[in-house]
Amino acid sequence: EIVLTQSPGTLSLSPGERATLSCRASRSVSSSYLAWYQQKPGQAPRLFIYGASSRATGIPDRFSGSGSATDYTLTISGLEPEDSAVYYCQSYGRSLWTFGQGTKVEIK
Amino acid sequence: EVQLVESGGGLVQPGGSLRLSCAASGFSFGSYSMIWVRQAPGKGLEWISYISSSSTIYYADSVKGRFTISRDIAKNSLFLQMSSLRAEDTAVYYCVREDSRGWYFFDYWGQGTLVTVSS
Repeated sequence: EIVLTQSPGTLSLSPGERATLSCRASRSVSSSYLAWYQQKPGQAPRLFIYGASSRATGIPDRFSGSGSATDYTLTISGLEPEDSAVYYCQSYGRSLWTFGQGTKVEIK
Repeated sequence: EVQLVESGGGLVQPGGSLRLSCAASGFSFGSYSMIWVRQAPGKGLEWISYISSSSTIYYADSVKGRFTISRDIAKNSLFLQMSSLRAEDTAVYYCVREDSRGWYFFDYWGQGTLVTVSS
């Protein structure tokens, strides 16, 4: 089973700053199988990034994904107040789907 | 427009059973793999079950032998039969569609239904 470890647990930044969220896998995963979701309080998660770097429909271009093998990153360039949320990475391996524990992004 | 609407959640005693349903619309339901994901209060996301378009089924170890996933293509519905429920099964349960590209990510989520296991 792949274990995904996200860091930091919480990120507190001001509007306009850059946020860098990390997702580290316990073993190498195909970049095709790495996705990121945003979840706001009381809402269902929403797909943001798939295939490690492809933005889902309607996602602003200030969100970008990168990485390979065991290390993946979600970058938010120029934080907006509406970006306040928890972000989860997700992957797949050997008939199991796995989520990271989440990174909470707070806007000061 | 793709819509996934869960129902069937509620309060159940430990050891009890519950059946969740998910009504799908806006897409060719039979052509997609479907998943159940849950989220305990204040916690992260946990994948628990998968059913493919050809009815291949997988379960997370945490629910294997207690939960059963099924689908009725004619009724565009996904189900999760839960038995021998435990306090740790308390969570919001989401019905989720897996993208069809074979990249194993989830492109549409329902709003969730809350299951509370308590005496």
